[in-house]
Amino acid sequence: GAVVSQHPSWVICKSGTSVKIECRSLDFQATTMFWYRQFPKQSLMLMATSNEGSKATYEQGVEKDKFLINHASLTLSTLTVTSAHPEDSSFYICSAFSYEQYFGPGTRLTVT
Amino acid sequence: AQSVTQLDSHVSVSEGTPVLLRCNYSSSYSPSLFWYVQHPNKGLQLLLKYTSAATLVKGINGFEAEFKKSETSFHLTKPSAHMSDAAEYFCVVKTGTAGNKLTFGGGTRVLVKP
Repeated sequence: GAVVSQHPSWVICKSGTSVKIECRSLDFQATTMFWYRQFPKQSLMLMATSNEGSKATYEQGVEKDKFLINHASLTLSTLTVTSAHPEDSSFYICSAFSYEQYFGPGTRLTVT
Repeated sequence: AQSVTQLDSHVSVSEGTPVLLRCNYSSSYSPSLFWYVQHPNKGLQLLLKYTSAATLVKGINGFEAEFKKSETSFHLTKPSAHMSDAAEYFCVVKTGTAGNKLTFGGGTRVLVKP
């Protein structure tokens, strides 16, 4: 149980385009989901906390207009990277909270 | 505020020898502590967690960790390393005041030599 999926697992996009990443809790409901970013050979950095039915809470230094988060249901949160640039290339990981955080497998974004 | 320091960025061990990954934490309140493992280009897998019960915590794949409040440490050990243990390991702290947010250590990359 407690499986979290992410889609897509990897994506390549051109600079200036937008990319949407989905995070789903497959067998449980999660009122809270978290989005992390991980640069190569670095640790995970929390980007934002996504709460179902309300606005996401962003960590300091994270541009909310660039990283749009929507938590439309108890099993789905989406992260949209708008007007992506090469420096947005990273590994994005989500987690869903149900007594503890369960992590998705991650999405590798490459912006060319 | 809470923080986590992993004292070694890289650890190299021979297969069959013990593994020790060191972690120190800082927290104003009673913390929950976790160790996660991440294999290349994969998500995170929970190895074990401490949540104010027994101070010696046993996890999966033969790993265990000991919570020492006096030393603010939560070191991870395994008696005998296996080639499949080669991965990145993260020590993580959570306190209730942080709204279930997790704070990650910088990670320790484990290399296992045959």
